[in-house]
Amino acid sequence: DAMVIQNPRYQVTQFGKPVTLSCSQTLNHNVMYWYQQKSSQAPKLLFHYYDKDFNNEADTPDNFQSRRPNTSFCFLDIRSPGLGDAAMYLCATRSGAGNQPQHFGDGTRLSIL
Amino acid sequence: AQKVTQAQTEISVVEKEDVTLDCVYETRDTTYYLFWYKQPPSGELVFLIRRNSFDEQNEISGRYSWNFQKSTSSFNFTITASQVVDSAVYFCALSGLSGSARQLTFGSGTQLTVLP
Repeated sequence: DAMVIQNPRYQVTQFGKPVTLSCSQTLNHNVMYWYQQKSSQAPKLLFHYYDKDFNNEADTPDNFQSRRPNTSFCFLDIRSPGLGDAAMYLCATRSGAGNQPQHFGDGTRLSIL
Repeated sequence: AQKVTQAQTEISVVEKEDVTLDCVYETRDTTYYLFWYKQPPSGELVFLIRRNSFDEQNEISGRYSWNFQKSTSSFNFTITASQVVDSAVYFCALSGLSGSARQLTFGSGTQLTVLP
C-alpha cells in the first residue's frame, strides 16, 4: 500500500507556465520534505515542513514555493519554470520523533518544453 | 559540516557475484545516524537500513549485510549472490541530531548494474 503518494508521475509544462506538484501521505508524519533530483545526482533538499513550520534551504530559488494545508498534503509550486528546472521531484515524510528514516514517494518527473 | 563520500560511481557485476558498496562519512557530531537507500530505475527511493553511531554491530538481512566501522568512518554495504533486480543506484546518507544536521546528507550514489 502506497504511503507517500505523488501526483502526477510525469508532468510536462511549458517554459514559464506555472506548475504544481502534489504529495499526500497516510503515515501521519509531522515532517514533509521536497527534494529535487537531476540526472545522476543525489537528491537536493529544497524545503521541509515540521508540522506547519516551513523551512527553506538557503539556496532554494525563489521560483519554488510550497504549501502544506494539512498534515496529509503538501504541494510544490514552480512559478515560472525554466529549462533548468527539469528534474525528478521527490516528496518524503518522517516521523518527528528521533531520527526515523524518511519515506519517499515515487517522484514526479518534470519536463519543460 | 557533514559529508558522505561514495567513491564508486559505477559498478558492474555478473549475477551471483558478491559486491560491496563503499561509504565513508565525516561529521563532528558524536551522535549521528547512517542510512542506505536504493533507487531502482523507476525512481522511488527505498529505505534499506538505519544505524545509529552507538551501535557498531554488523547487520545481515537476507542477502544484504552492512559493516559499520566507526574507527574508519565507514558504513559499507554488501550484497551476496547478486541478482539482476539489485540493479539500482544506492545512496548512503547521514543525519545528525539537531537543527539542519537532522536533514539527510546524501552521498553521490553508486550505480550498480548486475548482468545476467
